[in-house]
Amino acid sequence: EIVLTQSPGTLSFSPGERATLSCRASQRVSSNYLAWYQQRPGQAPRLLIYGASTRATGVPDRFTGSGSGTDFTLSISRLEPEDFAVYYCQQYGNSFIFGGGTKVDIK
Amino acid sequence: QVQLVQSGAEAKKPGAAVRVSCKASGYTFTRYFIHWVRQAPGHGLEWMGKVNPSSGSTSYAQKFQGRVNLTRDASTSTLYMDLTSLTFEDTAVYFCARFGGLAAVIPFEYWGQGTLVTVSS
Repeated sequence: EIVLTQSPGTLSFSPGERATLSCRASQRVSSNYLAWYQQRPGQAPRLLIYGASTRATGVPDRFTGSGSGTDFTLSISRLEPEDFAVYYCQQYGNSFIFGGGTKVDIK
Repeated sequence: QVQLVQSGAEAKKPGAAVRVSCKASGYTFTRYFIHWVRQAPGHGLEWMGKVNPSSGSTSYAQKFQGRVNLTRDASTSTLYMDLTSLTFEDTAVYFCARFGGLAAVIPFEYWGQGTLVTVSS
């Protein structure tokens, strides 16, 4: 079974800075079926990116997904106040495993 | 618009069972698989299983095999998650989520609001 590792667990930034989050898979993710979700406190997760690099409907273009195979990245070009949240990666090829999450908090 | 509306919070004792419902609207019920995901307090997301609303076929994460049962009622467009033999570790928010798109494979684009299940003696 694929394991998704997101490290570090917490990243600290100031508003306006660029954030880069990592997701590493223990095996190749088939068909690049890799998604990113944002979760704010008390809310359900929100789909940001699927297919490793396709933005979901309504997602601002400051969010960019990239990568293939076993290494994937979510970049947020200029952090807005509402972007401080927890981000999860997920593979949805032959299973639906989530990574452990990375919290983006305010420096 | 697509909506998944879940039932309210539950409080259960260890050893009991719980049923959480998820009522779907705004789309063709039988067209999209529904998945269940849970999140223990302060922890990450954990996939539990999925159900095909058209056929009723299911697939479960190995961790929950034998303890979870996913069903659906097509007449009311409602999905159900039954979890038995509850322990304190089952205290979590349980979510339903819709999988799939029309022109592409889109994972969990729509989510229910979540249902808190608290297991306490």
